Amino acid sequence: QKEVEQDPGPLSVPEGAIVSLNCTYSNSAFQYFMWYRQYSRKGPELLMYTYSSGNKEDGRFTAQVDKSSKYISLFIRDSQPSDSATYLCAMSAMDTGGFKTIFGAGTRLFVKA
Amino acid sequence: EAGVTQFPSHSVIEKGQTVTLRCDPISGHDNLYWYRRVMGKEIKFLLHFVKESKQDESGMPNNRFLAERTGGTYSTLKVQPAELEDSGVYFCASSQAGTGPSEAFFGQGTRLTVV
Repeated sequence: QKEVEQDPGPLSVPEGAIVSLNCTYSNSAFQYFMWYRQYSRKGPELLMYTYSSGNKEDGRFTAQVDKSSKYISLFIRDSQPSDSATYLCAMSAMDTGGFKTIFGAGTRLFVKA
Repeated sequence: EAGVTQFPSHSVIEKGQTVTLRCDPISGHDNLYWYRRVMGKEIKFLLHFVKESKQDESGMPNNRFLAERTGGTYSTLKVQPAELEDSGVYFCASSQAGTGPSEAFFGQGTRLTVV
């Protein structure tokens, strides 16, 4: 079983829709939870990160962490065609040598105009 | 401010050859990370530098991979000799001292193809 599970999609939605992206994980030691956006042929771009449980909002993006369920979500409101990209979840836990980051497989999102 | 820069953007080499990838982190960033994504798999951690010292190299696949960070500035990742399974996209990321990978900025990656 992978430490981080993420549905690769693709997920296709109409412009203006609310998008929900999710990841589950198995390691209860994870402390930092990140969401990255990656456009084709580009590197991952950090959207948001959350420490421990709770919600965090930044503009149209909201990240939620539920440590009791080992489940994290990213919501995109009023989705735009420019949001079309691959969204990666990632999580970090302290390990020997420092923080170790585990990435999900990424979900491909298409927002249709 | 310049972001994390990686060279080359794409490299095609034959099996058995040597390739050196370069990463220029954001100026002043002490932390430098190397990651790799092979076809159809997740991005995987390779190693972490703090300035010029290797903090964690537990993700390095084998001794054909050698990473250096001379003077705590740019870093190189050499693969010698390259094998077919080394093909993938190699990412570099950097972050400021006192922060972790949760606040790291990524480069655009080097796409390595071994034929």
